[in-house]
Amino acid sequence: DTGVSQDPRHKITKRGQNVTFRCDPISEHNRLYWYRQTLGQGPEFLTYFQNEAQLEKSRLLSDRFSAERPKGSFSTLEIQRTEQGDSAMYLCASRTSGGSTDTQYFGPGTRLTVL
Amino acid sequence: EDQVTQSPEALRLQEGESSSLNCSYTVSGLRGLFWYRQDPGKGPEFLFTLYSAGEEKEKERLKATLTKKESFLHITAPKPEDSATYLCAVYSNTGFQKLVFGTGTRLLVSP
Repeated sequence: DTGVSQDPRHKITKRGQNVTFRCDPISEHNRLYWYRQTLGQGPEFLTYFQNEAQLEKSRLLSDRFSAERPKGSFSTLEIQRTEQGDSAMYLCASRTSGGSTDTQYFGPGTRLTVL
Repeated sequence: EDQVTQSPEALRLQEGESSSLNCSYTVSGLRGLFWYRQDPGKGPEFLFTLYSAGEEKEKERLKATLTKKESFLHITAPKPEDSATYLCAVYSNTGFQKLVFGTGTRLLVSP
């Protein structure tokens, strides 16, 4: 399967702990996105990478959140000092640059539960 | 600020009963409108991209259309396996690197 993959699929943590999620985009895609989705809502944009450069961040991304994409391949999203309000599905998407399509392809998501 | 509104929030159909889902948008310059399907606990699955008013795309029982203010997803003779949440999203000139999503329409098709 050559789609977007995310790990882990589920994470349960206690309030105050740090968590890290990983996203592996489709291999030829140089653009990578993180979104957050809560129950009954559509995904909300968090941040965007073009290759290894983080070019845009949402105001939703507080100081407790940090994302990296070393070498322009996989990406990690870390949440420090988790709060119950961080409980959500974290989605990663990727797309190619140029070409005839702007389509973002999503991974299966990481479901975070903060107790 | 770009906004996407989907209606209805939920729709229950009998198998074979055709209907349409609506996505209205307010953006400063539409660069693209996207439809995704999302099953419970999974990531959104891409269905269609529309770029200009009058454009139509079809896939099996689904047909997406676009006007200057809204898009419709028409479902013809749906089957139970079409049950899912359908999400609409836009790229705009002011936020062209991110998708702005609506809250989705939850579709349930009963046999």
